[in-house]
Amino acid sequence: GAVVSQHPSRVICKSGTSVKIECRSLDFQATTMFWYRQFPKKSLMLMATSNEGSKATYEQGVEKDKFLINHASLTLSTLTVTSAHPEDSSFYICSARALPAQGRYNEQFFGPGTRLTVL
Amino acid sequence: SQQGEEDPQALSIQEGENATMNCSYKTSINNLQWYRQNSGRGLVHLILIRSNEREKHSGRLRVTLDTSKKSSSLLITASRAADTASYFCATDQETSGSRLTFGEGTQLTVNP
Repeated sequence: GAVVSQHPSRVICKSGTSVKIECRSLDFQATTMFWYRQFPKKSLMLMATSNEGSKATYEQGVEKDKFLINHASLTLSTLTVTSAHPEDSSFYICSARALPAQGRYNEQFFGPGTRLTVL
Repeated sequence: SQQGEEDPQALSIQEGENATMNCSYKTSINNLQWYRQNSGRGLVHLILIRSNEREKHSGRLRVTLDTSKKSSSLLITASRAADTASYFCATDQETSGSRLTFGEGTQLTVNP
């Protein structure tokens, strides 16, 4: 149980285009999902916290108009990188936290990540 | 200031040896978690230790937590080549609303 998927796993796009990344909790409901960014050989940096049915909370320094987050249901959050540029190339990872009633409340379950390359 | 600083940054050992990785943090926490990441992959949750716990075991893994020193260690016993990966600690801080703050990670290489 507690599987989180991401789609696509890898995307290459041209500069100026927008890219949407989906994060799904497959066998549990998640009121909260998190989006991270990871540069090569570096740690994960939290970008934003996504709450179902409300606006995302962005970390300091993360442009909310650049990285649009939508959490429309208890099993799906999307991250859209708008007008992508080469510096947006990175590994984007989402995680989901289960509802309290589902137990393991404090754990976050991570997706496999999406490798974005902007040419 | 950065939470979850880890040392060493890189560790190379032979199969069968034990590997110890350390993590330090700066503020009060609800719990501390250890994750593993294979190159280019997502994170795998290894173990969670709560702030009122001092030691936890899971298979070949042993985690300790010293809240007075604000530090934790992850011990992998009888290492295998398949344990080669990056290991991250992450703190769930009391004031963070359960957001995790990750350390820089330790790259473990287990040589066959």
